[in-house]
Amino acid sequence: KAGVTQTPRYLIKTRGQQVTLSCSPISGHRSVSWYQQTPGQGLQFLFEYFSETQRNKGNFPGRFSGRQFSNSRSEMNVSTLELGDSALYLCASRVSGVSYNEQFFGPGTRLTVL
Amino acid sequence: AQKVTQAQTEISVVEKEDVTLDCVYETRDTTYYLFWYKQPPSGELVFLIRRNSFDEQNEISGRYSWNFQKSTSSFNFTITASQVVDSAVYFCALSEADSGYALNFGKGTSLLVTP
Repeated sequence: KAGVTQTPRYLIKTRGQQVTLSCSPISGHRSVSWYQQTPGQGLQFLFEYFSETQRNKGNFPGRFSGRQFSNSRSEMNVSTLELGDSALYLCASRVSGVSYNEQFFGPGTRLTVL
Repeated sequence: AQKVTQAQTEISVVEKEDVTLDCVYETRDTTYYLFWYKQPPSGELVFLIRRNSFDEQNEISGRYSWNFQKSTSSFNFTITASQVVDSAVYFCALSEADSGYALNFGKGTSLLVTP
C-alpha cells in the first residue's frame, strides 16, 4: 500500500506570496491532518479534515487554511507568506476519525520564504 | 504550557549500548493516548507505538521497549543494543480530548549512535 504523499517536496517563495501544498493520504484513510515543524516551535498541529470537513484546528492565524476533497486528498494554503512561515509541513493520515488511530506521516514539504 | 516534556535534547551513545529516552506528559483527561515517532534525517515521521491510558503493560518489540507509568506520568522508550541506524530524532506525543485528539508533540530527543 502506498504511503502518504506530499507535493511538492521543496518550495521557495518570497514574502507576501501565497502557497498551496498538497497531500494524498493512504488509500482508505479518510482523515488528514497537517503539522508545521520549525526548529524553534517544534511540531505544531495546524488542522484536521475528515470527510471534507474541518474537524479540529490548532492555534494558527487565518492565513493558514485547508480543504479536503471527496477522494480524501487535502490541500493546505498559506496566504501573505511571512519569513516565519519557513518550515517543514507534514501531512498525516489515519483510517478514520476514531481518536486512538495512529497517524501516518508523509515526507513533508519544505517551504522556504525569502 | 508544554504538555509533553522530553528533557533530553541530545544523546550520544556508542553502538551496542542501551539507551533510554524519557517522556513526561501532563493531562487532566482519564482517556488519552501516547505515541512515539522516529524522524530520520529524511524527515518523515515514522510511527513506533501507541499506548492508551487504560493499558499500563510494558511493550517490547525487538530491540525496542516502552515503559508506561501513570503514577509518574511517564512513557519512556528504551533501545537495547543500539545501532547506527537508530540515529534519528525521537518524538513522544500525547493525544487527548482537550485538544480534539490532535498530536501534541514533545520537542524531541536527537539520538546519535556512533560506531
